[in-house]
Amino acid sequence: ETGVTQSPTHLIKTRGQQVTLRCSSQSGHNTVSWYQQALGQGPQFIFQYYREEENGRGNFPPRFSGLQFPNYSSELNVNALELDDSALYLCASSFDGTILGDTEAFFGQGTRLTVV
Amino acid sequence: AQRVTQPEKLLSVFKGAPVELKCNYSYSGSPELFWYVQYSRQRLQLLLRHISRESIKGFTADLNKGETSFHLKKPFAQEEDSAMYYCALISGGYQKVTFGTGTKLQVIP
Repeated sequence: ETGVTQSPTHLIKTRGQQVTLRCSSQSGHNTVSWYQQALGQGPQFIFQYYREEENGRGNFPPRFSGLQFPNYSSELNVNALELDDSALYLCASSFDGTILGDTEAFFGQGTRLTVV
Repeated sequence: AQRVTQPEKLLSVFKGAPVELKCNYSYSGSPELFWYVQYSRQRLQLLLRHISRESIKGFTADLNKGETSFHLKKPFAQEEDSAMYYCALISGGYQKVTFGTGTKLQVIP
């Protein structure tokens, strides 16, 4: 069992609202990546944080933003929620700026976001 | 743009039969490819990566740059192999990762 935890596990929001999702990284890991997984799809890379700075970004609009804290935990913020934002949001922690690369990335269980 | 294609949503095989989960990619540079697996009610976890050329749980995958493929193979399927399998590609010095849509492997007893 990995030490990557995400909160909350489930969330229901209304279109137009804002949401914050949280992820605590595996002990010893200093990099967090976020993914959106729509139903029946593979995870889509949103962005990665390394040493408290964004270190890579996928094709997501600016209303998807994030933070990484000195303890390497991270938040994903989504503004102006749309119905299509309904998905499972995964975070993964890894080491030294790698996404899946030289060292293994450990995934959390995810947060299921429903936008109504 | 890079792309990862897993053409089969579902692959059903009998226990003991060979398994091949297909993964094709498009990327102009040198890719780093991975297979991730998700067992029922468990987290996504790394199965294997092409750079290590290892065999995990009897699975192997060879990168074929000519065919731009990274198919996952196992000679004899076991019931515990039933899971969702995702192929993933990293590009740009670890700055971007692309997952395929996944293949559900169902091993029939």
